[in-house]
Amino acid sequence: DQQVKQNSPSLSVQEGRISILNCDYTNSMFDYFLWYKKYPAEGPTFLISISSIKDKNEDGRFTVFLNKSAKHLSLHIVPSQPGDSAVYFCAASRRQTGNQFYFGTGTSLTVIP
Amino acid sequence: DTEVTQTPKHLVMGMTNKKSLKCEQHMGHRAMYWYKQKAKKPPELMFVYSYEKLSINESVPSRFSPECPNSSLLNLHLHALQPEDSALYLCASSQADSPLHFGNGTRLTVT
Repeated sequence: DQQVKQNSPSLSVQEGRISILNCDYTNSMFDYFLWYKKYPAEGPTFLISISSIKDKNEDGRFTVFLNKSAKHLSLHIVPSQPGDSAVYFCAASRRQTGNQFYFGTGTSLTVIP
Repeated sequence: DTEVTQTPKHLVMGMTNKKSLKCEQHMGHRAMYWYKQKAKKPPELMFVYSYEKLSINESVPSRFSPECPNSSLLNLHLHALQPEDSALYLCASSQADSPLHFGNGTRLTVT
């Protein structure tokens, strides 16, 4: 049972434009959400997180938005750069139960120069 | 450079072999994890150690045996694996309420 879903397997964006990656979750008890970026032959690298007490968190070119009522989060990258081309995973956990992080299936982003 | 170091990077083993994957972190994190990732799939949690004690075992077959010798080291002992166990094995660590930090993984091929 996939509790975290990324329904777009791939996304292509022109350099300089905005990339929007989406993620949905089913467990309303999740209260901590993260985005990871993964290059081939490397482990996932943490990008940005958000707690359920917020609806937006920003770090440089990366902004994560959380809509708790819709059980939806999104990652905005602006402006997109060719080096952003990678697979992006969202993940969720319930802090009270500790260390179980659930990952989405990933979205492969290609930024076209 | 990743702060979680995994060795070896690649491993090919037969179904009768015994091998071990190793993971090391020096960030003082007290939770360490093993994940398995197949192509085009999300990382799947296998085991979690918290303060050197096994806290989560996601119903992993006994041919995978984790060990946490100390707070910085995590091993995964492999024995009598099947070809379908071929995957990328990722180690991660975290502190309370903090993101997972992953290593670069061991690419395992079972022949």
